[in-house]
Amino acid sequence: GDSVTQMEGPVTLSEEAFLTINCTYTATGYPSLFWYVQYPGEGLQLLLKATKADDKGSNKGFEATYRKETTSFHLEKGSVQVSDSAVYFCALSDLGSSNTGKLIFGQGTTLQVKP
Amino acid sequence: DTEVTQTPKHLVMGMTNKKSLKCEQHMGHRAMYWYKQKAKKPPELMFVYSYEKLSINESVPSRFSPECPNSSLLNLHLHALQPEDSALYLCASSQDTGRANVLTFGAGSRLTVL
Repeated sequence: GDSVTQMEGPVTLSEEAFLTINCTYTATGYPSLFWYVQYPGEGLQLLLKATKADDKGSNKGFEATYRKETTSFHLEKGSVQVSDSAVYFCALSDLGSSNTGKLIFGQGTTLQVKP
Repeated sequence: DTEVTQTPKHLVMGMTNKKSLKCEQHMGHRAMYWYKQKAKKPPELMFVYSYEKLSINESVPSRFSPECPNSSLLNLHLHALQPEDSALYLCASSQDTGRANVLTFGAGSRLTVL
């Protein structure tokens, strides 16, 4: 079945460092791909999305490109801030014929940014 | 209004209690979801409602009973829970269940079962 694999955390960076969080997926068709972020004590928020190959999603300085050839959707940011400390989830949409809307999440990567 | 509101934020209950979690959205979304999230884990889908009809039940035990009274409200009724049911319960909504739809999540209800 469909699945998402994320790099294990925690990832600890200094402020203004470059961030990459790897995400690869397995899917039989052409899923939509998402990055969600969860700040401490909160629910998940959409960070960015891409719905077809070569699409680049971007938001708040974060970017990810839908790479069909490598089945990847890596999250990047050029200069992280302390406020970016959170758990990041890569996800893909279910492509069942019933159009279920089900999201398949990766395990999550905790990012800690130190001043 | 672009929010999903969940109440209560925290709930402590005994194994013989009956309680309910509530979720409300006013974005005109026609799909609503319940997820369960354990600490340091991704959310796990429990139920999906599409146009007020239950479309997915991920083999959830019957001690969890969902209800969708109208297109804006989603409830989760809890009865005879076990300590291992303690978790963060997240409600979400989306325009519909198409594959490109974005889910908007509430802040969650943190449940502790004693």
